[in-house]
Order: sequence, then structure tokens, then C-alpha cells
Amino acid sequence: GAGVSQSPRYKVAKRGQDVALRCDPISGHVSLFWYQQALGQGPEFLTYFQNEAQLDKSGLPSDRFFAERPEGSVSTLKIQRTQQEDSAVYLCASEGTANTGELFFGEGSRLTVL
Amino acid sequence: GQNIDQPTEMTATEGAIVQINCTYQTSGFNGLFWYQQHAGEAPTFLSYNVLDGLEEKGRFSSFLSRSKGYSYLLLKELQMKDSASYLCAVRVLISSGSARQLTFGSGTQLTVLP
Repeated sequence: GAGVSQSPRYKVAKRGQDVALRCDPISGHVSLFWYQQALGQGPEFLTYFQNEAQLDKSGLPSDRFFAERPEGSVSTLKIQRTQQEDSAVYLCASEGTANTGELFFGEGSRLTVL
Repeated sequence: GQNIDQPTEMTATEGAIVQINCTYQTSGFNGLFWYQQHAGEAPTFLSYNVLDGLEEKGRFSSFLSRSKGYSYLLLKELQMKDSASYLCAVRVLISSGSARQLTFGSGTQLTVLP
């Protein structure tokens, strides 16, 4: 498809389980961002890639969160030993080379930790 | 860090005009963005201001005053489909020039009544 694709759309995990969330950005988009959005809040920045390089991971809330983009295209956000406070929608966005700041968001992965 | 404030909720009538305000405090300002987010969907780009003044795009206009740390989004001829959350976001450049993520406010939930 032409847009940003994320999977799974919904994930239910038991506390302590590891989860992996996938993002397939728009083809050719260099920049890729991960955001976390709690209910009723705006998206909170997690991490940013330019091609395969992770240039900023200052928003990752703990060392249980890890993101990678090994070939500069698909990205995976991994959360180890999930906690209830990790329940949120995880949004991926990509940006082309125009540097307009226009981010194209995927529909997100809704994670519920029981 | 950045501090972004916008009203939590607003209500307006179909056909009317509504103005959603956003104030921010930041250093290294590099642009003010507005996104629209319908419930359960991805945020979508509305507008971008980097210089002072008004940017008009159809029924939507956005204004920026950098000296006041202030922006507003103006929606004219409101339609029922405009009921959504409107997110104000600021982009900041750090000294290395590599951090380009957007920092979002909590969003303003607009309800358009018939």
C-alpha cells in the first residue's frame, strides 16, 4: 500500500511478556519516528531513525524498550517484560526528504497489558 | 524541554467558525504544526508555520507569533466531520541538527453540534 503500515493493530499481552511491534514506512522515506499515545493524550516521542541510524532514543521510557531499523526500511519496536503502564497506542510515522515536517502516521498498534 | 498548552475541549455549531489556541515555551524553535486525529485513527497533517503570520488552506487557517509563543488554528464553515482532536506540535532543532522530532500537545477535542 501507499501509506505507513503497522502490525499488529491490536495486541494483548500478559504482564512480563515480550512484544514486538512492526512498522513498514512509506517506500523511500528516510526518517522514521515512534510515538506512544495514551488515551486522551497527544503522542509522546520515543525514538527517531534516519535510514538505519537511530539518531535519537531519548524518549524511550526504560531499557525495556528497544527499537531497530536494520536495513533502513522496516522498523521494529520491542518491549521486554511488559508492564501495565506500557498499555498505549504505539504510532509509527515516516517523513520524506522534503523536510516539511509533515509526518505520515500509521494507524498504530494498540497494546493492552493485563 | 518543551511546554505546549491547548484547551482540552471545545464545542461549536455546524457552519460556525472556531479558533483553537496553542501556546508553547521552547528553545530552538523550528516550526509549529497542527494535526487532526479522529477517534481511533492516525493523526493527519493540517498545517505548518515556521514564520510569523497566517497560512490559509481551504477552510483551515493557522497563525503563528514566535515572539509570543502562540499559534491558533481557525476552522471555518464547520462540518460534522470536523469533530476530532486537534493536536498542536512544535519542532525543535538541537545543536547537532539531528533531532527533528515533533513534540505534541495533549490535543483539543472539538465537538461539532448540528
